[in-house]
Amino acid sequence: GAGVSQSPRYKVAKRGQDVALRCDPISGHVSLFWYQQALGQGPEFLTYFQNEAQLDKSGLPSDRFFAERPEGSVSTLKIQRTQQEDSAVYLCASSRPSRGLDEKLFFGSGTQLSVL
Amino acid sequence: QQQVKQSPQSLIVQKGGISIINCAYENTAFDYFPWYQQFPGKGPALLIAIRPDVSEKKEGRFTISFNKSAKQFSLHIMDSQPGDSATYFCAATSQGGSEKLVFGKGTKLTVNP
Repeated sequence: GAGVSQSPRYKVAKRGQDVALRCDPISGHVSLFWYQQALGQGPEFLTYFQNEAQLDKSGLPSDRFFAERPEGSVSTLKIQRTQQEDSAVYLCASSRPSRGLDEKLFFGSGTQLSVL
Repeated sequence: QQQVKQSPQSLIVQKGGISIINCAYENTAFDYFPWYQQFPGKGPALLIAIRPDVSEKKEGRFTISFNKSAKQFSLHIMDSQPGDSATYFCAATSQGGSEKLVFGKGTKLTVNP
């Protein structure tokens, strides 16, 4: 595809419901990141994959959050027993294998999650 | 602990004017400093980036100024246009680490025609 694709674009969940957010990175991009962006704030790091390996999950706010990338391409962010404080835009980003000065991190448009 | 502090929170500039956004960081291990532009309903898009071995980088109307000793960097937008109206985020990372970006809280720029 032309860019990072995320689905669904919008998700409304009742408190306590489980949700799954999908990210299709740019083809060939080895690195994949998930960020959480609260209203009016900057994105905050959640987790990072290199291929199928989850190398950093230090930003996941609780054990209700789980991410996977089993075949090193598509990734899913799962949130169990959603709470109102989970309401935010969840951004996925991908980049090429080698990082250099001009290396670009490409972001998707995000999934806006609203927990009622 | 906020590792990257950004100011101002909002900025209004007239068309043709200069927009200046400032950021300060704390972690001396940071070695890559990008700026992102975000339009409503879209993800952030890389605008320009700098490493600490240079004090300035210019790309078109956009310039990053970097002061390593003060641990500060800024974005200057020359000849600001209404199409530049967006939210701008500074960020920082240590590329020897997990490569995760730490973002500032953002500056909402409005350029009046």
